[in-house]
Amino acid sequence: DAGVIQSPRHEVTEMGQEVTLRCKPISGHNSLFWYRQTMMRGLELLIYFNNNVPIDDSGMPEDRFSAKMPNASFSTLKIQPSEPRDSAVYFCASSLRTIKNIQYFGAGTRLSVL
Amino acid sequence: AQKVTQAQTEISVVEKEDVTLDCVYETRDTTYYLFWYKQPPSGELVFLIRRNSFDEQNEISGRYSWNFQKSTSSFNFTITASQVVDSAVYFCALSESETSGSRLTFGEGTQLTVNP
Repeated sequence: DAGVIQSPRHEVTEMGQEVTLRCKPISGHNSLFWYRQTMMRGLELLIYFNNNVPIDDSGMPEDRFSAKMPNASFSTLKIQPSEPRDSAVYFCASSLRTIKNIQYFGAGTRLSVL
Repeated sequence: AQKVTQAQTEISVVEKEDVTLDCVYETRDTTYYLFWYKQPPSGELVFLIRRNSFDEQNEISGRYSWNFQKSTSSFNFTITASQVVDSAVYFCALSESETSGSRLTFGEGTQLTVNP
């Protein structure tokens, strides 16, 4: 079984540009999570979806960030316009809403905003 | 609010030593789940173990073992006979609810370096 797939693995962009990160969850999983990892703040949840519906976006830092899940097999995290402080590793994770509640992570996207 | 504390920022050991990574958590819920994840130098996050709040049995998996104590709100992780390949950042995490597909709250992580 394929794991969570994120693309791109690395993204370098200039301040002000739009950035779109993509995620394909594990087939059959119905919860999807976006996390951000920085040295200063560690791993923090940005937003999560259950059955394609956003449940909690309180971690989204500001209006420049938006996330969508148009179907069960695809999600995007968009930053527009990007700023240097957005530089981080962005992880997507998915889980099956059973008693186990284990989240499986993708390899992450390393974003550098110059 | 839930919180996870990993007081050890960095640990360095010599191969074959045993090492314990500490994790202390705070939660108001009676039902919750505790996790350990490994982040090797390649960067991905690898799931290691999940425990629920009703199961305080210690668990052993090969060289790995976990000690869950509700009385002290701790969920410590021990690696026996450490190996260089164990070098990684280890994260303890807490999830409060099974039914909401809820968030994981992570600790700050412990960087483990195993030297040959």
